[in-house]
Amino acid sequence: SQKIEQNSEALNIQEGKTATLTCNYTNYSPAYLQWYRQDPGRGPVFLLLIRENEKEKRKERLKVTFDTTLKQSLFHITASQPADSATYLCALTADYKLSFGAGTTVTVRA
Amino acid sequence: GAGVSQSPSNKVTEKGKDVELRCDPISGHTALYWYRQRLGQGLEFLIYFQGNSAPDKSGLPSDRFSAERTGESVSTLTIQRTQQEDSAVYLCASSLDRLVGEAFFGQGTRLTVV
Repeated sequence: SQKIEQNSEALNIQEGKTATLTCNYTNYSPAYLQWYRQDPGRGPVFLLLIRENEKEKRKERLKVTFDTTLKQSLFHITASQPADSATYLCALTADYKLSFGAGTTVTVRA
Repeated sequence: GAGVSQSPSNKVTEKGKDVELRCDPISGHTALYWYRQRLGQGLEFLIYFQGNSAPDKSGLPSDRFSAERTGESVSTLTIQRTQQEDSAVYLCASSLDRLVGEAFFGQGTRLTVV
């Protein structure tokens, strides 16, 4: 069966450090992979999309890598800030369905 | 409107009653998705629309759940004979097309069945 697994439920880091989140998938052959941010009581917000032929993508302090051989994406938040505290979700499209991992909750301590 | 709009934002209903949840997607977006999110859990896919048709209804939990979309615009998710386990946040998202990935989410409808 198809699975999207994110490495841990929670990640606590000190302000200024880099947070690294992992997304692994099985039985998908995605053309692209997406990352979203979800704050409590709100819907997810799109952050980044990376295509299968792209190894790395950056947006401000965010960096995403995509390894289709390992079937894995890494999501990095550099120079983290308390405002980065949220749940981060990876998502894949297969056939018509946009499916999400369970998410990793990041807490950045001041 | 500027974003995806869902109504009501909160709904409390008695067990056994029917409820209707509404989603207004971004104008021009042909793809529309419904998800359910239980407290502290991830997003559970319910149904997807491309235009007015629903190629994938596989996520609907039971025959008490149904959804429709009219005019390639507004969509309604109906839950009949609600049960306590239906309590969750129901999220709607739209995207320009199923081949264009970025999905825009509404704020959700928090459904509480008492």
